[in-house]
Amino acid sequence: QQPVQSPQAVILREGEDAVINCSSSKALYSVHWYRQKHGEAPVFLMILLKGGEQKGHEKISASFNEKKQQSSLYLTASQLSYSGTYFCGTELLDNYGQNFVFGPGTRLSVLP
Amino acid sequence: SAVISQKPSRDICQRGTSLTIQCQVDSQVTMMFWYRQQPGQSLTLIATANQGSEATYESGFVIDKFPISRPNLTFSTLTVSNMSPEDSSIYLCSVGRGGTNEQYFGPGTRLTVT
Repeated sequence: QQPVQSPQAVILREGEDAVINCSSSKALYSVHWYRQKHGEAPVFLMILLKGGEQKGHEKISASFNEKKQQSSLYLTASQLSYSGTYFCGTELLDNYGQNFVFGPGTRLSVLP
Repeated sequence: SAVISQKPSRDICQRGTSLTIQCQVDSQVTMMFWYRQQPGQSLTLIATANQGSEATYESGFVIDKFPISRPNLTFSTLTVSNMSPEDSSIYLCSVGRGGTNEQYFGPGTRLTVT
């Protein structure tokens, strides 16, 4: 079951903030976040495992809600280097270790 | 993390032929994955390749079309058999690291079938 990501695309100016959401109709075991720049391979950003968890990576952080059905990725004071497509990847709680699925992606463009 | 290389980086093939893509990792890993990505689209898992066992294929992918080898803990191959233009895509291998299988990707192989 592919998770749902929103928005599909977002355009920002440098220094602005963005939030990307990833949701599932079923409880998740884990949520992974990846960024892929055009013409390159996806790069792992972070993984969340615990309901209510928040995790940070420089100015990029993420949260996992208590029900473990939604995660949000927060990009603060965006930089040009943040441009790319952000994918969440999920594993279902009742199917752990199987069926890892990437979301459709959110295309982020940061303009000067 | 891990350093992953793929060969070839790109190829143009005729329909009906087969192409074998190689994936080499700089350290031993248990889990290796093969994905397909159409331009502008998400990544679709083809199969999981664990050393010492048969690859596990996702729905819609079969071994006859995408045979996989995993002879050791640092190497895997994916063959795209009897190719058609619909097989044109980017094929990526990835490795799972850590207890939570965060994934690290190779640079990809861009395949065009004419």
